[in-house]
Parts: sequence; structure tokens; C-alpha cells
Amino acid sequence: DTGVSQNPRHKITKRGQNVTFRCDPISEHNRLYWYRQTLGQGPEFLTYFQNEAQLEKSRLLSDRFSAERPKGSFSTLEIQRTEQGDSAMYLCASSLGQQGFYGYTFGSGTRLTVV
Amino acid sequence: DQQVKQNSPSLSVQEGRISILNCDYTNSMFDYFLWYKKYPAEGPTFLISISSIKDKNEDGRFTVFLNKSAKHLSLHIVPSQPGDSAVYFCAASFFSGNTPLVFGKGTRLSVIA
Repeated sequence: DTGVSQNPRHKITKRGQNVTFRCDPISEHNRLYWYRQTLGQGPEFLTYFQNEAQLEKSRLLSDRFSAERPKGSFSTLEIQRTEQGDSAMYLCASSLGQQGFYGYTFGSGTRLTVV
Repeated sequence: DQQVKQNSPSLSVQEGRISILNCDYTNSMFDYFLWYKKYPAEGPTFLISISSIKDKNEDGRFTVFLNKSAKHLSLHIVPSQPGDSAVYFCAASFFSGNTPLVFGKGTRLSVIA
């Protein structure tokens, strides 16, 4: 068990380009979450999966954002036509079932900078 | 509308003293509350949690208190250590922890040696 792994750690992209981030959760965890954190804010929920099913999407997740979790294992978050406002830390977390008393396990995040 | 509020952006405490971090929430349907700690360049790490059926939960130096009538919870760290210096996030969820966590903005704790 190596924890939740996110790649890349940093991404700099030009406005208008597409970017894709990957998250590998803890292997036995069936739930996977994506959050976004900007400076001075707490993590904001984007979407989550139970196995391969995407159960909920936040209104923050515009049409330019899409997330997948094929086969209920790793997940990808794609942002199309990036905007400067997309610059943020993108955090992935996983849990076994509902987080209950033990919370999620977060990865170290992918920092996106749109120039 | 911010449902989980941490109104103190920062807090400084001397080593060995008590640190008290506060959190208020607006939605009375929240029934699970958690605290996370975050160091720079790392993801948040789960610290301690409490169910709404309890008013206190303790784990070593960390104690969380819940006051449902005031919609307020607090995290006490005793004694504070320099390694506790981090950003602390309060989070809440509905339905026995079955919904995505809603986080506050965080409080930066500095423990001064």
C-alpha cells in the first residue's frame, strides 16, 4: 500500500490547451474523489466515483471538465480549453466505502498553472 | 454560501501550551465532522473525527468537541509541539459520512518553540 498517487505533480500549460491528470487510489478503496484547492481556500468537491460509476458532480465541474474511472481502478481528470481560472491544486482522495470515522486518504495533488 | 466556516485564518501558540482551533457550520443536517492537517506540498492528512451522536472524541494529544446546539466544533491540541505547525481544515458530511466532505477554508497554526 503506497497511498494515493497523483501524476504529474506539477503541470504548466498555455491557456486553451487540454490537460489530463491521473490518480491511482489505494488498491482496495472503492471510492475515489476529486477536489480542487485554490490559495486561501479549503478543498472544494468536484466529483466522486464508487467503483466505475460517477455518483455525483459538483456545479464547479463545468462542461470543460470530465472525469473517468475505467474498471474502477485509476481515475483521470481532463480539463479542455484551459483558462487561467483553472489554476489550482487538484487533489484526489480515496476511501473504502463511506468515509465514516476514518476520512479519506488524499494524494499529494497536481498543481496546475495556466499561463 | 459557505456551510463550514473557520473564521481564524491563523493562530500562534507557544510550544507546550494548548492550541484551540474553531469551526462553525450552518447546516444542521451534517452528522460527521472531521479535522485534517496539511503540510506544504502534501495532501491533507486525516487527524480525528466525531459523529453527531457524541460531544467529544479524544485521540492522544488531540480532542475534538462538538456543540450541536451552537453548530460549533473545536480541536484542542495539548501540549502543542513545533511539528503541529500546519494548516488545519475542518470538514463535514451528511448521512453518516456517506456524502462528499465539505471543507472550511483552514486555519494556519504556528507553534513557536
